[in-house]
Amino acid sequence: DTGVSQDPRHKITKRGQNVTFRCDPISEHNRLYWYRQTLGQGPEFLTYFQNEAQLEKSRLLSDRFSAERPKGSFSTLEIQRTEQGDSAMYLCASSPQLPGQGASTGELFFGEGSRLTVL
Amino acid sequence: AQKVTQAQTEISVVEKEDVTLDCVYETRDTTYYLFWYKQPPSGELVFLIRRNSFDEQNEISGRYSWNFQKSTSSFNFTITASQVVDSAVYFCALSAGGSNYKLTFGKGTLLTVNP
Repeated sequence: DTGVSQDPRHKITKRGQNVTFRCDPISEHNRLYWYRQTLGQGPEFLTYFQNEAQLEKSRLLSDRFSAERPKGSFSTLEIQRTEQGDSAMYLCASSPQLPGQGASTGELFFGEGSRLTVL
Repeated sequence: AQKVTQAQTEISVVEKEDVTLDCVYETRDTTYYLFWYKQPPSGELVFLIRRNSFDEQNEISGRYSWNFQKSTSSFNFTITASQVVDSAVYFCALSAGGSNYKLTFGKGTLLTVNP
């Protein structure tokens, strides 16, 4: 399977616990994104990496959230002291940097997501 | 700021009917991209089409067609002769300006095609 993979697919945790999600992008893609999707809503942008550099963080990403991409390959998204409002699907996506283009044109390849339920 | 509105929350049709999903967008940027993504029950968003703001030509791909009209800021999606496998949530999205690496999605339209 050469698509974007995410782990775990489902996570149930108690309020106050920490959780970590992992994303493995398509191997030749140097751009990686995290989005969050709540029930009945479209995905919302959280953060973006180009290689190992985190270039933008949404205001949705509170201090309890941290994302890393240490070697420019896989990425982790950690949520500390989870709250019930954190319950959502966390989507990872990747895209290539096209030759001659300084920015992606937004054709993202999404994983199946990690669903978080905070009790 | 960017905004995408999909006024239809749910649509239900019978197989072989044609169906149009509406999308209206807002942006002050003159350069932008519009997208449609499909999200089947499995949850994985699947890219369907990208259209840039300078190309208003309509596009047809098999049973799918897209109508882009800058005058009304709309980018509507039509499925001809719908099939049960078309049942999914469809999202319209926009990327624009200096942040054209991130997408602003609409709330989606749940399409149910009944046999």
